[in-house]
Amino acid sequence: GQNIDQPTEMTATEGAIVQINCTYQTSGFNGLFWYQQHAGEAPTFLSYNVLDGLEEKGRFSSFLSRSKGYSYLLLKELQMKDSASYLCAVRDPVGGYQKVTFGTGTKLQVIP
Amino acid sequence: NAGVTQTPKFQVLKTGQSMTLQCAQDMNHEYMSWYRQDPGMGLRLIHYSVGAGITDQGEVPNGYNVSRSTTEDFPLRLLSAAPSQTSVYFCASSYSGGAGQPQHFGDGTRLSIL
Repeated sequence: GQNIDQPTEMTATEGAIVQINCTYQTSGFNGLFWYQQHAGEAPTFLSYNVLDGLEEKGRFSSFLSRSKGYSYLLLKELQMKDSASYLCAVRDPVGGYQKVTFGTGTKLQVIP
Repeated sequence: NAGVTQTPKFQVLKTGQSMTLQCAQDMNHEYMSWYRQDPGMGLRLIHYSVGAGITDQGEVPNGYNVSRSTTEDFPLRLLSAAPSQTSVYFCASSYSGGAGQPQHFGDGTRLSIL
């Protein structure tokens, strides 16, 4: 089966650094995605990891350890606009389709 | 460049009514999916398609039908609406070449069943 765990809520201060963790147990693995979703809006793609290690994209970085079934999203120099839900999603090859299973998301509140 | 377009944005139905949620993409993506998003449940896959004429069930398919007659369109049909189908529905599409291709989501349809 598929199981993806993330903290439900986090609060951080503007200008600070926050790390959002994701652990997963899935029958197959072909990459992990992070999406950002502002309230009332659609999810938008942030990052993709398929190999172990850190991927950096501006203020956002994502880390993957396949042996531990673990990923984190690191947000630096937090801004108020970073208040959103962050969704961890694992891609699992099923037949000819790359099925994506989402975690329940972490709601991040950035405070002044 | 419109991306993924969903209509309607909001809909209220009575129990037992049927309706079709429309989804269209202009990126020539092979993969298309329908998700529902409920508080505390995350995005759950309803149905998906790997190309025109090919569809399959996801995690929560009961009460929904899909078809894919063209690459661009992937409508979701509610056969007989039930209050448990009150949710936000997202359509997503992605390019099939390579596992790292992200999904592009529509703006969602907020559906209430009374």
